[in-house]
Amino acid sequence: NAGVTQTPKFRILKIGQSMTLQCTQDMNHNYMYWYRQDPGMGLKLIYYSVGAGITDKGEVPNGYNVSRSTTEDFPLRLELAAPSQTSVYFCASSPRGTHGYTFGSGTRLTVV
Amino acid sequence: KQEVTQIPAALSVPEGENLVLNCSFTDSAIYNLQWFRQDPGKGLTSLLLIQSSQREQTSGRLNASLDKSSGRSTLYIAASQPGDSATYLCAVQSGDDKIIFGKGTRLHILP
Repeated sequence: NAGVTQTPKFRILKIGQSMTLQCTQDMNHNYMYWYRQDPGMGLKLIYYSVGAGITDKGEVPNGYNVSRSTTEDFPLRLELAAPSQTSVYFCASSPRGTHGYTFGSGTRLTVV
Repeated sequence: KQEVTQIPAALSVPEGENLVLNCSFTDSAIYNLQWFRQDPGKGLTSLLLIQSSQREQTSGRLNASLDKSSGRSTLYIAASQPGDSATYLCAVQSGDDKIIFGKGTRLHILP
C-alpha cells in the first residue's frame, strides 16, 4: 500500500536547468495536486488535475508545467529553474472532493 | 476567493494541558475541512476530515469541530504530550475542487 510516491526526495539544480518531479499514486484517485511549501508561507497550489487528460492552474503556476496522461501519474516540470523555485514540493491525491487527501513525503528542491 | 487563517501562529503549553487551535475561512460554501499534522522536514499526515454536513469528528485525544455559517473550525487536543509537538495545518476544499491551506500553527508541548 504505497499511497502517493514522490521522487526524488532531494535535488539541487543550477539556474536555468530543467527537471521533472515525479508523482505517482496507486489508489486510483481521480484528483491530484501539486503544492509548494515555503517557510512560514503555508502551502500554495501550483497545478491540479481532476482526471486523466485534464489539468488546471492553481495559485502559483508560473514557471511550471504538468501533464496527466494516466490516472496514476502527475509529473511536475520545471523549465529554466530560478532561485525563487527553491522550495519543498508536495504531491497529493483524492478520490473526490469529499473524501480527504493523501500526501506524498515531498521533494526538497534547491536552485543555486 | 477562499482564504484560510490560523490563529495563533505559534503556541507553547505545558504537558498535560488541554488546548485549542483555531481555523477560519472566508467562503462558507465548502465540501469539507481537514486538519493535518506536519513534523519538521516531513510530509503531511491527515488527522481529521469533517464533511460540510458534519459538526465534529473525533479521533483519540483529538476533536475537530466545524461551524460553516461562521466560517470556523477548532481542533481540540486533550491532555497534551511532548509527542504532539508539530505544525498543525487546516485545509478547506471548496466547490472548485481546490484545496486551500492555512499557514499553520506551530505547537510546542513543554515537558
